[in-house]
Amino acid sequence: DGGITQSPKYLFRKEGQNVTLSCEQNLNHDAMYWYRQDPGQGLRLIYYSQIVNDFQKGDIAEGYSVSREKKESFPLTVTSAQKNPTAFYLCASRPGGGLAGAGEQFFGPGTRLTVL
Amino acid sequence: GQQVMQIPQYQHVQEGEDFTTYCNSSTTLSNIQWYKQRPGGHPVFLIQLVKSGEVKKQKRLTFQFGEAKKNSSLHITATQTTDVGTYFCAGRIGSNYQLIWGAGTKLIIKP
Repeated sequence: DGGITQSPKYLFRKEGQNVTLSCEQNLNHDAMYWYRQDPGQGLRLIYYSQIVNDFQKGDIAEGYSVSREKKESFPLTVTSAQKNPTAFYLCASRPGGGLAGAGEQFFGPGTRLTVL
Repeated sequence: GQQVMQIPQYQHVQEGEDFTTYCNSSTTLSNIQWYKQRPGGHPVFLIQLVKSGEVKKQKRLTFQFGEAKKNSSLHITATQTTDVGTYFCAGRIGSNYQLIWGAGTKLIIKP
């Protein structure tokens, strides 16, 4: 089956610890995105990558880091510098090409991170 | 920064009643997308509108894109329990790779 996987579904960490969230896609999509969703709010963009070995900061990149060493993988590290990391994290991908930026985004099931 | 305002935040309806959510942008959008997120789930793409004044229908759902490409709406006729969830609009400005997301409208069916 083609799709996007995120693991784990639930993650608990102690304050001050870095944690890495996994995102893998086998859709052969060029672009990948990380969003943060807080209760009752829309999606806020953390980082995005249009191509391997390239990524750009989104609106709320502070306290987060990413890498894009492979087309299929776009892991997100939540560092201890992130002031309020408890949230629902969503990874998405989109095919490249065509009208720049157009086309649907496909989302993974998300990881719910709780920092104790 | 650029924002897409979405109203209302919540809408309670009796099953069988209609539901509408609206999105407004201060900036002209190159396209707008609509997504549905079921409780506990992830957003799922519904549709993309590109042309000024465009209207698209999917069964009981009607999507509109304003003439000025600054506003959009989603209307559901005769809601069913399967329609429950949060509906988000997401707009794109120019050729920017980012989507600007509305805060969502939560559709709640009254028991």
